[in-house]
Amino acid sequence: AQTVTQSQPEMSVQEAETVTLSCTYDTSESDYYLFWYKQPPSRQMILVIRQEAYKQQNATENRFSVNFQKAAKSFSLKISDSQLGDAAMYFCASLTSGTYKYIFGTGTRLKVLA
Amino acid sequence: EAGVTQFPSHSVIEKGQTVTLRCDPISGHDNLYWYRRVMGKEIKFLLHFVKESKQDESGMPNNRFLAERTGGTYSTLKVQPAELEDSGVYFCASSQQDYVSSYNEQFFGPGTRLTVL
Repeated sequence: AQTVTQSQPEMSVQEAETVTLSCTYDTSESDYYLFWYKQPPSRQMILVIRQEAYKQQNATENRFSVNFQKAAKSFSLKISDSQLGDAAMYFCASLTSGTYKYIFGTGTRLKVLA
Repeated sequence: EAGVTQFPSHSVIEKGQTVTLRCDPISGHDNLYWYRRVMGKEIKFLLHFVKESKQDESGMPNNRFLAERTGGTYSTLKVQPAELEDSGVYFCASSQQDYVSSYNEQFFGPGTRLTVL
C-alpha cells in the first residue's frame, strides 16, 4: 500500500528565516506525482508545489522549493524568507499517474514567529 | 473564479443525530471527491463522483454514510446516525475531466469540521 509519512507534527520558524518540512513516501509505482499543500486556518487547501517523479530537477515556486530524492523516497519542502502568511498546516501527498486518489501524510503545522 | 465551497464550516452534534454536509464544486468540474481527516491522522479518500455517478466509494467507512450528487452539481454527505468516531474534518475537492493528461489537479475546499459528542 502507498504511504506518505510526515514525521514533524509541528515546526516553528522565525520570520525571514528558512525552514524545511520533511516528507517520505512509499510506492511501487514508477509514474507518480508528489505535492505539498498548504491549508491556512479555516481556508481552502491550496497547492504549493508539484513534482513529477520522472523529472530529476527539483521543482521551485518563488520562495518554495523541494528536495526530491527519488531513491530515498524523500520529498522535503524548503520555505525561504518565511513570512507570517506562511503559517498553516502543510500536507505532503502522492498521486499515481492516471489515478485520482491522493495519499496524504498527517500534516505539519508551521508557526511563523514575528 | 469561486473555489470549492463547503457548508457548514463547523458542526457539533450529539451521538445518534444526523448531519448533512454540502459541497459546491468549481463550476464545470465533472469530478467531485470527498476526503476525511480524523484528528491527528492523514487525510483519507472517501469517494469519487463523475457528474452524478459514483465512480468509487471504496473509502466510505460504513453504511451510515450516504453521498449524493444531484444533477451533477453540488454534493451532500449525510451521516446517519453519527458516532463519536465520525468526528473529523471532511474535505471536498473537484477537478476537470481531462482525457489527455495523466494528472487532473484537484481543488480543495476549506473543509467542514464535524464534532460528535
